[in-house]
Amino acid sequence: GQNIDQPTEMTATEGAIVQINCTYQTSGFNGLFWYQQHAGEAPTFLSYNVLDGLEEKGRFSSFLSRSKGYSYLLLKELQMKDSASYLCAVRDGGGSYIPTFGRGTSLIVHP
Amino acid sequence: DAGVTQSPTHLIKTRGQQVTLRCSPKSGHDTVSWYQQALGQGPQFIFQYYEEEERQRGNFPDRFSGHQFPNYSSELNVNALLLGDSALYLCASTLSSAFDTGELFFGEGSRLTVL
Repeated sequence: GQNIDQPTEMTATEGAIVQINCTYQTSGFNGLFWYQQHAGEAPTFLSYNVLDGLEEKGRFSSFLSRSKGYSYLLLKELQMKDSASYLCAVRDGGGSYIPTFGRGTSLIVHP
Repeated sequence: DAGVTQSPTHLIKTRGQQVTLRCSPKSGHDTVSWYQQALGQGPQFIFQYYEEEERQRGNFPDRFSGHQFPNYSSELNVNALLLGDSALYLCASTLSSAFDTGELFFGEGSRLTVL
């Protein structure tokens, strides 16, 4: 099975930087995803990491360390609209291509 | 270009009843997955359909069944509803040739309340 752990809730100030961590334990590994989900809306894809290192995409960056079973999502220049749940999802190495989602981290951005 | 559409958006049922939820994938996508998302939780994988066949299944009882049609649209059926089936049901589509990158496109979901 898989175990994915991420903080339940985080708060930050508009304009600041926040890092949302995700740790996982899987039998094999075939990619890690981050999705954003605003309240009452569909999850939307943010990033995909399969190799170690940092992937940067505008204000958002995602980092992966496969040896540590660890990833983080870095959000810079926070905006009020970034208040949402951030879901970490991991695919194991069984060839299923089905990601398992964590519980999500609810980020609240204050003015 | 229409995204993933789901219907109905909200519905209320009583215990023991049956429900059918519908999903039309994003244009050009041939694979549909269904997820159950309880309040405050992440989406839990129910099953995936490709070429009108159930390709993979998560840890859900047989009360949960599905179907995919030749136009790639899909239905999720839940029989003998329990209170614990109350959740947001999300449909996600992808293109089979893009399984590697695995980006899922989600619909807005169907909010099911079982009383």
